[in-house]
Amino acid sequence: DAKTTQPPSMDCAEGRAANLPCNHSTISGNEYVYWYRQIHSQGPQYIIHGLKNNETNEMASLIITEDRKSSTLILPHATLRDTAVYYCIVNHEKLTFGTGTRLTIIP
Amino acid sequence: DTGVSQNPRHKITKRGQNVTFRCDPISEHNRLYWYRQTLGQGPEFLTYFQNEAQLEKSRLLSDRFSAERPKGSFSTLEIQRTEQGDSAMYLCASSVSSGANVLTFGAGSRLTVL
Repeated sequence: DAKTTQPPSMDCAEGRAANLPCNHSTISGNEYVYWYRQIHSQGPQYIIHGLKNNETNEMASLIITEDRKSSTLILPHATLRDTAVYYCIVNHEKLTFGTGTRLTIIP
Repeated sequence: DTGVSQNPRHKITKRGQNVTFRCDPISEHNRLYWYRQTLGQGPEFLTYFQNEAQLEKSRLLSDRFSAERPKGSFSTLEIQRTEQGDSAMYLCASSVSSGANVLTFGAGSRLTVL
């Protein structure tokens, strides 16, 4: 399974865009990039996924580089409720979680 | 549809006892996954089913652990002779096996072994 590398923690001011990076240099051609988040004591929540093209939904945007070796999750206007651990996952059959990025939104 | 349901939400047991967790997936989802999560770590894959077939088991799933999905709907995860190291959150997720594999997770079952 392809491995991912994420910074362990990040802070972002409330109302600003939060940009969470992820490196996945060993990604295979048919592997999707998935982003989930986990708020304390809850199950992981799906955010967005993509294969090659950039994607946007009501929660976030996903920017995937042309070589697909890295991606960025963008929360356009972060709120306090976005404080969570964010996981970038790159495989298909069984999603393999790393330790993620702990994002803290600062009031 | 109420999403993925897990029961019980909390279980406290004594070392050596057996425990069973149940997961009811989203009804039209044919894949079902079990994960384990300990404090400060990401969820660790244990096993998954497609319909009633168990397609993969992690090496983490020792012989004290068994998972079933007898009719391709709900699933049970049983832990025999529990040990203190089994204390964790056990997460269930389900998905549809077509296109991207988007998992919907339940709220989890927290096990404390005394």
